[in-house]
Amino acid sequence: KAGVTQTPRYLIKTRGQQVTLSCSPISGHRSVSWYQQTPGQGLQFLFEYFSETQRNKGNFPGRFSGRQFSNSRSEMNVSTLELGDSALYLCASSFISSRNTEAFFGQGTRLTVV
Amino acid sequence: KNEVEQSPQNLTAQEGEFITINCSYSVGISALHWLQQHPGGGIVSLFMLSSGKKKHGRLIATINIQEKHSSLHITASHPRDSAVYICAVSGDSNYQLIWGAGTKLIIKP
Repeated sequence: KAGVTQTPRYLIKTRGQQVTLSCSPISGHRSVSWYQQTPGQGLQFLFEYFSETQRNKGNFPGRFSGRQFSNSRSEMNVSTLELGDSALYLCASSFISSRNTEAFFGQGTRLTVV
Repeated sequence: KNEVEQSPQNLTAQEGEFITINCSYSVGISALHWLQQHPGGGIVSLFMLSSGKKKHGRLIATINIQEKHSSLHITASHPRDSAVYICAVSGDSNYQLIWGAGTKLIIKP
């Protein structure tokens, strides 16, 4: 079956703009988590959605938001982009929202803010 | 002190060598994950384990819950194994993964 699909793969935006990233989980998976990876901070948890509800949220400002649709596809939005938002944004899907569930990752979206 | 510590940070070895990457954690966990990230970003889940040992091909992962330590071993290493290997734990009180900083592995032919 198809893996986790993230679109777009690469994106360049200017400061102040907003951006929307998309993640389509593996078919049948209902949990989607988002992570930000930067060279300085490593991988950091953004939020997790399960059955269209945000279940958990990391320590990111309100400019970072997300949602999940009834087909489990998820989007994350970053408004008023800052240079420091340049990062690889990774999405992971799992069957259920559980601490013991294996997560499958997408290829990521590399966002560059100029 | 980070909750998940990996060592070494960087490792360069010759093809064929036996590789060991270590992960220590300080929090209670429900599971530990080993992941592989190639240049370009995509992450692949290698193992998820909560006790004992798992083997997949040339990769072996072990965990000692009492010592809060896990190791990832690669036997007969190959240049295609060159990647960043990341240890992450699922805390026992929430759903998010707590990540180690990663180990950059380079296998020279």
